Amino acid sequence: NAGVTQTPKFQVLKTGQSMTLQCAQDMNHEYMSWYRQDPGMGLRLIHYSVGAGITDQGEVPNGYNVSRSTTEDFPLRLLSAAPSQTSVYFCASSYSVSSTEAFFGQGTRLTVV
Amino acid sequence: AQTVTQSQPEMSVQEAETVTLSCTYDTSESDYYLFWYKQPPSRQMILVIRQEAYKQQNATENRFSVNFQKAAKSFSLKISDSQLGDAAMYFCAYRSAMEYGNKLVFGAGTILRVKS
Repeated sequence: NAGVTQTPKFQVLKTGQSMTLQCAQDMNHEYMSWYRQDPGMGLRLIHYSVGAGITDQGEVPNGYNVSRSTTEDFPLRLLSAAPSQTSVYFCASSYSVSSTEAFFGQGTRLTVV
Repeated sequence: AQTVTQSQPEMSVQEAETVTLSCTYDTSESDYYLFWYKQPPSRQMILVIRQEAYKQQNATENRFSVNFQKAAKSFSLKISDSQLGDAAMYFCAYRSAMEYGNKLVFGAGTILRVKS
């Protein structure tokens, strides 16, 4: 049972480039979310999804897009990377929207130069 | 909006000793959940302990216990008999019981160093 898998683990982008951070879970979880972790700020919610086809914005959604075409996958797209998006990104999933247990991926360290 | 404050950026403890990490939060809600997560250098987020606001009894998990003071909006984590493996970043987090989805609000974190 792989749990929540994020790829890649590390990435360096140039300003203006686009890329997709992948997140997949094999636990048939209904709820998935993306956080970014910055020093001195903890983790902040970017986007979340309560089921396939349903997504919504979190606290810091600007510059990011998401989609949820399947239950398993929840990719995060950076449309035009900026140095301010240098961060560690975490994907998390929960069994249902009422669950309080979150399963986190290993994170992706993204550097935008 | 809810906020979570961890006022100790760094803490140190001697192996086998006890340490307490502080967390305060701000909310107007009466029903919510509080968590402590551990993040070792591997970056993996590990749930340490969970507290349900409607339960007055403080949660415990082996060497980890909390002091939950609902009126004071305080949620501290006590680690007893500290071990080298406890060295990590610790995050306090809040989840509303009213919101749809497991949306967590995190504090800034406390780095815990354990001295041998």
